[in-house]
Order: sequence, then structure tokens, then C-alpha cells
Amino acid sequence: DTAVSQTPKYLVTQMGNDKSIKCEQNLGHDTMYWYKQDSKKFLKIMFSYNNKELIINETVPNRFSPKSPDKAHLNLHINSLELGDSAVYFCASSPGGLAGYNEQFFGPGTRLTVL
Amino acid sequence: DAKTTQPPSMDCAEGRAANLPCNHSTISGNEYVYWYRQIHSQGPQYIIHGLKNNETNEMASLIITEDRKSSTLILPHATLRDTAVYYCILYSGGGADGLTFGKGTHLIIQP
Repeated sequence: DTAVSQTPKYLVTQMGNDKSIKCEQNLGHDTMYWYKQDSKKFLKIMFSYNNKELIINETVPNRFSPKSPDKAHLNLHINSLELGDSAVYFCASSPGGLAGYNEQFFGPGTRLTVL
Repeated sequence: DAKTTQPPSMDCAEGRAANLPCNHSTISGNEYVYWYRQIHSQGPQYIIHGLKNNETNEMASLIITEDRKSSTLILPHATLRDTAVYYCILYSGGGADGLTFGKGTHLIIQP
């Protein structure tokens, strides 16, 4: 019973392709996130969704499009993949809504390699 | 703009207490201090958080100075599985904001 799951765990693809990463949480949380961890291990927020609505979009190229079909899922679709998109992508969720409270639960990550 | 400062790395002997410092001299009154850790090749894991008072849970203790300009995360009896990068993060959002991770401290537990 994984709390936050991501698929696939590894993704190797060619430049220019379009790919998707799926995320599901079974914690009943209202808020979900996508983070990117680059080769230097810096972890940065990309998107935040609360009750299926976009809350944060942190200067991410519009080739990245998150989609939330329901509260339990937040998928990340990436168009026209570039070499610089190679990274580990983490999905996370949190209860949301309480000022100052932000215990986030992270998925295991998806390692994307663009050749 | 680094809001927190942590040593890049620390060593600790297995079974001893690991004390990880964090400086946040410009902390605002409504900012909480959060600690997360990331074990190699895994997603980050929440450890503990606090506002003013010291906090303790099953994983760790958090000591915040009275002026709130620094804090210390204490792992009371470190094990090899505690080897990880530990992040000290300030947060004041409405509960749906992303976290801003810095470089963290790489804690290495020595056998």
C-alpha cells in the first residue's frame, strides 16, 4: 500500500519525443506537486495543484503540462523533450489548506534520461 | 537567496546522537522550520517541524533558539540508515505551496 506512487520508475527516450509520467496518491490529500531534481541534486518545485486546480507554476517551460483528472492523480506530460529535461522527477502530496502546515509525502521518483 | 544555512556535510558515529545545525537569521515571525531528509535514490521524507517551541517525535527532536535565528535537529541514536541529505526549510505558506529546498547537509553515519 504505497502512499504516493509514480510510473514509470525509469524513462529513457530520444530528444523531441513526447512522454508522460503518472502519479497517484491514496492518502486522500487535496494537494499534489511535481518537483524536479537535476544532476547537481537541486530539488525544485515545478507545479502545485489543489483540488485539481493549478496553484503554482514555477517558471516551467510550457512544454511541461500537468494534468489532474481527479484529486488522487497528477500526471506530467512533457512535449518535445530536450537534453536538459534529464532529471529525476518527484511527485508529492499533502493535506493542504492549513496555513503553515506542509507535511509532504513524496513518491519514489522517475528518472528521465533524454538521449 | 538562501534563507537557511547548513554545513555541507557531517559525520557521526553509529549509536551516537547526530546534531544538525541550521541558521535562519532572517526568519519571519510566521515562518515554520521544517526538516526533511533524502536517503540516496529515494524521495524526500518529512521529519519534523516547529514554530517556536521545541518539538519531539518518534524520529527526531527539534530545538529552536529563543530568538528563532537558528535550530538544531537531533537524531538521538543514529543508525546507518540515517545516512542521508538533511534539509532545513522555512515555510509560511497556506498549505498548498511548494517547498524550497537548499543544498542541505549530507550526514554520514560511520559504523
